[in-house]
Amino acid sequence: AQKVTQAQTEISVVEKEDVTLDCVYETRDTTYYLFWYKQPPSGELVFLIRRNSFDEQNEISGRYSWNFQKSTSSFNFTITASQVVDSAVYFCALSEASGTYKYIFGTGTRLKVLA
Amino acid sequence: DARVTQTPRHKVTEMGQEVTMRCQPILGHNTVFWYRQTMMQGLELLAYFRNRAPLDDSGMPKDRFSAEMPDATLATLKIQPSEPRDSAVYFCASGRSTGSGNTIYFGEGSWLTVV
Repeated sequence: AQKVTQAQTEISVVEKEDVTLDCVYETRDTTYYLFWYKQPPSGELVFLIRRNSFDEQNEISGRYSWNFQKSTSSFNFTITASQVVDSAVYFCALSEASGTYKYIFGTGTRLKVLA
Repeated sequence: DARVTQTPRHKVTEMGQEVTMRCQPILGHNTVFWYRQTMMQGLELLAYFRNRAPLDDSGMPKDRFSAEMPDATLATLKIQPSEPRDSAVYFCASGRSTGSGNTIYFGEGSWLTVV
């Protein structure tokens, strides 16, 4: 069965600090997809990144970077030089390529960036 | 800027009343998902459709919930009769499915309060 674990319930950092959000997943499939979504205080869920299981290259987008390691089944998300606008709940999600089209979400990590 | 549209954005209703939530997926997307978000349970998958056909609604309480796609531009989630424990945010998401793992995009949610 597929599962996504975000062990960090809440993290508080001071502006300009770097912060890493952890995501550990479980799946029996060899082909799968991982995602990160952001949910700001306004409530909508915003797509951030999608990564397939064959691409272990780290990705950087501005202050955001993602570290995918199949050996540890982790897909961690780092925000460099955090800003108050980064305050949100961040969700990691997994979709298997077994044709079920299910997307399973972790419980989310609430990030508070303090000015 | 294409987006998933959900109505109503907010709904307060009395216990026992029927509630219908509507979703217009992004044009061209053929998979539609309904999620429910609560503090206790996080994001729960209620049902999803591909090409308007229901693929899985095992996450949905069958006795009072129903989900349909009357046409490709409209998905509905109905609760009858509503109960206070149904109070939650209901999200619709859509994606273009040429296989599993395609990115899904969320609407802004329907915030339901049953009193």
